[in-house]
Amino acid sequence: SQKIEQNSEALNIQEGKTATLTCNYTNYSPAYLQWYRQDPGRGPVFLLLIRENEKEKRKERLKVTFDTTLKQSLFHITASQPADSATYLCALAPNSNSGYALNFGKGTSLLVTP
Amino acid sequence: EAQVTQNPRYLITVTGKKLTVTCSQNMNHEYMSWYRQDPGLGLRQIYYSMNVEVTDKGDVPEGYKVSRKEKRNFPLILESPSPNQTSLYFCASRRRLAGNEQFFGPGTRLTVL
Repeated sequence: SQKIEQNSEALNIQEGKTATLTCNYTNYSPAYLQWYRQDPGRGPVFLLLIRENEKEKRKERLKVTFDTTLKQSLFHITASQPADSATYLCALAPNSNSGYALNFGKGTSLLVTP
Repeated sequence: EAQVTQNPRYLITVTGKKLTVTCSQNMNHEYMSWYRQDPGLGLRQIYYSMNVEVTDKGDVPEGYKVSRKEKRNFPLILESPSPNQTSLYFCASRRRLAGNEQFFGPGTRLTVL
C-alpha cells in the first residue's frame, strides 16, 4: 500500500543552525511533492511545491530536494529561528491524469531553541 | 482576502444530535475537501468534491455526509455524531489538479459527549 513516512520524533535544534526534515514514500509515483507548515490548532499553510522533474527548489531560507530514485524529499530551513518552530507536513500528489487526492504524511515537529 | 472559512470553530455536542459544519471559499476553486486530524494519525481525508454536484468518498467517510450545491460552499454533515468523531476538522480548497497549492480553513474542534 502507499505510504508516506516522516520522522515521528521531534527535531530539536539550536537557533541559527540548519534544520533538515525527511519525507520518504513507498508504492507511489508522485508528480508533485508539497511541504506545509502547521502551527498547533491551526490549518496547514502551503510552503513549497517541487515537481518530479525538479531536483531542488528554494524560497528564501527554505530549500526542498526531491529524489525520485531514492523516493525521498528533504526539507531544509537555514539559519533557523524560534519562529520556525512548528509541525511540517509533506504531501504527495499523483500524476494529474491519474487522480486528484493529495496525500499527507503525519508530520515532523520542529523546535528551534534560542 | 483569499480564504477558506469554517463555522463553528468550536463545538461541543451530544451523541446523536445532528450537526453541520459549514465551509466556504472565495477563490472560485473547483476542488474542496474535508479532513479530520487526530493525534498520531495525521490528516485523513473524509470527502472531497471536484465541482458542483460532484462529491466522492475519501479515506474515512463513515458517519459523514457532504453536499456541493454551490461552488463556494461545502458543508460537512454529521447525521448522528458519536464520540469517535471527536476530532479537529479542516476544510480545504484548491484549483482542480492535485499539484496546486491547497488552502486550509482555520479548523473546527468538535467534541461529542
